[in-house]
Amino acid sequence: GAGVSQSPSNKVTEKGKDVELRCDPISGHTALYWYRQRLGQGLEFLIYFQGNSAPDKSGLPSDRFSAERTGESVSTLTIQRTQQEDSAVYLCASSSQRGGRGELFFGEGSRLTVL
Amino acid sequence: SQQGEEDPQALSIQEGENATMNCSYKTSINNLQWYRQNSGRGLVHLILIRSNEREKHSGRLRVTLDTSKKSSSLLITASRAADTASYFCATDARMDSSYKLIFGSGTRLLVRP
Repeated sequence: GAGVSQSPSNKVTEKGKDVELRCDPISGHTALYWYRQRLGQGLEFLIYFQGNSAPDKSGLPSDRFSAERTGESVSTLTIQRTQQEDSAVYLCASSSQRGGRGELFFGEGSRLTVL
Repeated sequence: SQQGEEDPQALSIQEGENATMNCSYKTSINNLQWYRQNSGRGLVHLILIRSNEREKHSGRLRVTLDTSKKSSSLLITASRAADTASYFCATDARMDSSYKLIFGSGTRLLVRP
């Protein structure tokens, strides 16, 4: 597609359930990032993929969070046993350059609400 | 902790006025970027300035970078109501092996018609 696509755009779930968030990056972009944005806050780095490897996953807040990427394509962010503090917008971005050296293209985000 | 911090947190100006936002960061960088976010939307890249550059222009945008003070400013000239958004600076961390692009907490700009 022309831009970064994220799904679902909105997800409401009950505490304790697992959720999967999907990101389709721009074709050919080798770098892929996940960020979390709580209401009215800045972006919190979660994980960075270069190709299908994750050289920096230092931002994942707990072992309930995991992410994978298939080749240089789709990535999924999985949150297990969701908690209310997981409620946020999860933003995915891709780039043709590695390591934060170039412009990031963002998706519209997946808004997660944990009841 | 955040690498970049914007100042002010919020700014309200009249259409036609200039808006200046500042960003401070902590570690050495390769580049600094500015992004814009409309409410409830993803971020859009505005401009990238490299560590060996001091000033860069793009349309009504002017960005400066002072690596000795670890600070940058974004100036929007002749502001319009459509410029109302949150503005974020982002820096890459050069000192370690980190691949993060770290964002600040943002400046919320309101341009009154």
